[in-house]
Amino acid sequence: DIVMTQSPDSLAVSLGERATINCKSSQSVLYSSNNKNYLAWYQQKPGQPPKLLIYWASTRESGVPDRFSGSGSGTDFTLTISSLQAEDVAVYYCQQYYSTLSYTFGQGTKLEIK
Amino acid sequence: EVQLVESGGGLVKPGGSLRLSCAASGFTFSNAWMSWVRQAPGKGLEWVGRIKSKTDGGTTDYAAPVKGRFTISRDDSKNTLYLQMNSLKTEDTAVYYCTTESLSSAFDIWGQGTMVTVSS
Repeated sequence: DIVMTQSPDSLAVSLGERATINCKSSQSVLYSSNNKNYLAWYQQKPGQPPKLLIYWASTRESGVPDRFSGSGSGTDFTLTISSLQAEDVAVYYCQQYYSTLSYTFGQGTKLEIK
Repeated sequence: EVQLVESGGGLVKPGGSLRLSCAASGFTFSNAWMSWVRQAPGKGLEWVGRIKSKTDGGTTDYAAPVKGRFTISRDDSKNTLYLQMNSLKTEDTAVYYCTTESLSSAFDIWGQGTMVTVSS
C-alpha cells in the first residue's frame, strides 16, 4: 500500500495568517499517461463527514473558497490556506487514489486558531 | 438534491454480523463507483472497500484488514449500496461512511455516516 504521511500533526495559526499542511506519499502518485497527480485534500469538521476541497493535487472543488490551494507533484504535496478564517478550524486529510486497489489517507492534521 | 443516507449501524458482539445500507438519490447511481470509508472514534479515515459500476465490471476491492470478512454489493434498481460485515472484531468499531467517486476519482459526495460498535 502507498503510505501517506502528513506534517505537522497539529497546527495553530492566527486569524488572517497563512496555514500550510504537507503530505508525502511513499511512492509517486503521478500518472505519467495523463500527467495528473492522484491526490486529494479533505476538510472534516467535528461531527461532520469529510468534504472534498482539492483533487488532482491542485484543482479546487466547486464552491471551495479560493483561499484554499493545493500544490506539489510526485510524492510531495502541500495544502495552503492563504488567510485563515475561523470557519477553517478542522482536521485536514490528504488521500491518494493512484492505487485503485487500495486508496489510503494521511493521518490527518488538526488546524486550530492561535 | 444529491444525497447519500447510511443506515443499519448498531451494537454487535465480537464475531457477529451486521449489514449496512446506503441509499442514494439525486444522481445516476448505476454509473457511480461507490466506496465505504470508516473512522474509529477519535481516529483518522480508513478506506474499507469499493464496488465499480456494472458497466465497468461491478468488481470489488477491499482493504487488507477487512478482506475476507466484509462484502460490498449494490442494487441499482433500488439505488442502494450495501456493506455486509461478518466475523466482526472490536477494532471494526467506527463510523462508516458511504461515498462516491467523482470523475476525478476523488470522493466528492459523502453520507452522514452510521455508527457500528463491536463490544461484548
